Amino acid sequence: DTAVSQTPKYLVTQMGNDKSIKCEQNLGHDTMYWYKQDSKKFLKIMFSYNNKELIINETVPNRFSPKSPDKAHLNLHINSLELGDSAVYFCASSSRGHLLNTEAFFGQGTRLTVV
Amino acid sequence: KQEVTQIPAALSVPEGENLVLNCSFTDSAIYNLQWFRQDPGKGLTSLLLIQSSQREQTSGRLNASLDKSSGRSTLYIAASQPGDSATYLCAVHTGNQFYFGTGTSLTVIP
Repeated sequence: DTAVSQTPKYLVTQMGNDKSIKCEQNLGHDTMYWYKQDSKKFLKIMFSYNNKELIINETVPNRFSPKSPDKAHLNLHINSLELGDSAVYFCASSSRGHLLNTEAFFGQGTRLTVV
Repeated sequence: KQEVTQIPAALSVPEGENLVLNCSFTDSAIYNLQWFRQDPGKGLTSLLLIQSSQREQTSGRLNASLDKSSGRSTLYIAASQPGDSATYLCAVHTGNQFYFGTGTSLTVIP
């Protein structure tokens, strides 16, 4: 079983479209994240949710809207896609509290290409 | 704000060599540090997790050390193999998020 799974793996779309990326974790973690990996391979936090509550929103354009229906899912919806949104988006999960010192797990990434 | 730097940015070694990858961070208030491996076009695979109270962790040919007070971690790879070729990333957890380093691209030449 895949610990953190994202769909789709590849997404090619035109400018101006709206798209969603789904993420699910089966590890029982209570914290989930979205990271963006740019063309230079640098990973930067976008959002962090803990038990469905937004913890971090790291100066991301409001065209990006995360949604967490339950603590096992954190989806990312992007409106009015722009060329600069092309990147690889990673979902991750980890534990908090007394379980903070456990491994974080990352999904396989979604490669978004806006044309 | 936490900044994480990895040196060198790229490394090429012949098979069988031992090597050390370096990671430094600016704020020592961390919960843990995790080393990841990323293969081209793939996701991140966790290699080792060091808790803030620990000095080192070992897994097979990998040994990671942590000196929290000086803001440094090293990943030691013994007897390198071509299959070790990948990008290695370190990440520090500050309680709310992971801050990633810039990565070291490793090539092991057969």
